[in-house]
Amino acid sequence: EPEVTQTPSHQVTQMGQEVILRCVPISNHLYFYWYRQILGQKVEFLVSFYNNEISEKSEIFDDQFSVERPDGSNFTLKIRSTKLEDSAMYFCASSEAGLHSPLHFGNGTRLTVT
Amino acid sequence: EDQVTQSPEALRLQEGESSSLNCSYTVSGLRGLFWYRQDPGKGPEFLFTLYSAGEEKEKERLKATLTKKESFLHITAPKPEDSATYLCAVPGNDYKLSFGAGTTVTVRA
Repeated sequence: EPEVTQTPSHQVTQMGQEVILRCVPISNHLYFYWYRQILGQKVEFLVSFYNNEISEKSEIFDDQFSVERPDGSNFTLKIRSTKLEDSAMYFCASSEAGLHSPLHFGNGTRLTVT
Repeated sequence: EDQVTQSPEALRLQEGESSSLNCSYTVSGLRGLFWYRQDPGKGPEFLFTLYSAGEEKEKERLKATLTKKESFLHITAPKPEDSATYLCAVPGNDYKLSFGAGTTVTVRA
């Protein structure tokens, strides 16, 4: 069964550094998402991406964050100048038809900012 | 404001002891309700989508039902491998998928 893959599975970085989290969505899906889950808290929406542009973003997704689909298969989340509070699991998801179809999630990247 | 509330927070069951999880939502004009399973350190795994009151979906020992205000996930004769956190999610009026905090189910052999 096709799946969403994310790399790396764990990323440790120092405060102030930039990180890029990578995702390969399911190949025939058109909608892409990033969510995050701080330890012990809810899964929370960051951003949705369709037709090569951001379609929705949350209040969390400020100028520190950016997303890109650099080629036909990858979808990336860049976090600039990381802060301690950015430590979380970051999940990529994709869907065929936006929220009219289920989102399929990857297994996440655990980001630890020290 | 919370759009999705799940209860209980945690549920400890003996193998074979059936139970139900609740998900209540406050969005108007429901555009679908999704149930996911999440294992520790993993991403949410899609289980069901429900779109209209009265709808039911089943998968192995799980059955999801939907009313106008809430959804239930019934676990029938659970096994230890059913231990996981079960998440409910709905698209909000802003078209962003909002998750509940989840119910952590532990099934003891």
